[in-house]
Amino acid sequence: NAGVTQTPKFQVLKTGQSMTLQCAQDMNHNSMYWYRQDPGMGLRLIYYSASEGTTDKGEVPNGYNVSRLNKREFSLRLESAAPSQTSVYFCASSGDRQTLSYNEQFFGPGTRLTVL
Amino acid sequence: GNSVTQMEGPVTLSEEAFLTINCTYTATGYPSLFWYVQYPGEGLQLLLKATKADDKGSNKGFEATYRKETTSFHLEKGSVQVSDSAVYFCALSERGRRALTFGSGTRLQVQP
Repeated sequence: NAGVTQTPKFQVLKTGQSMTLQCAQDMNHNSMYWYRQDPGMGLRLIYYSASEGTTDKGEVPNGYNVSRLNKREFSLRLESAAPSQTSVYFCASSGDRQTLSYNEQFFGPGTRLTVL
Repeated sequence: GNSVTQMEGPVTLSEEAFLTINCTYTATGYPSLFWYVQYPGEGLQLLLKATKADDKGSNKGFEATYRKETTSFHLEKGSVQVSDSAVYFCALSERGRRALTFGSGTRLQVQP
């Protein structure tokens, strides 16, 4: 049981290049999330997916696209990378416990992305 | 909208000292509250949670009490260890909303 896995761990891009960050979970969770973490700003939600086939924008979606490939996998794509997208990216997942009024999320180890 | 405010760090303590990290929140409904911990080079891990007013979450010697009257969820530990050195994030989740709102994080450094 690996939990939430992310690839790659590190990546350096040049401005304008594209790449896809991969995320997979083996906990049979319906909901998956992408966050970015910047110094002094905590984590900010980029996109999330409440179930296979659905995606919704979060707080900072501009410059990103996502794909919920199946229940296990949720990828984040940067079509034309910019230096402002230099950050640490975290994927997370959660089960559907709305009736219990809390939402415990499980996080991957992160991808450290630098855009030059 | 929702927001979480944490005390700025870094917080530097000697081993066995008492720890308090302040967290206050703003929410339109009745949120659930969380503390997450991030050890160097790792992702976030849930440390403790509280789902309603006056609940106390606890784990690994850490405690936090959901105070609705002061909209606070301060993290405490009676005796910190070097291994507690990490970044601590306060977060909230509103009923019916899947996303978490995080504070900016507080770095704790414990010296031997």
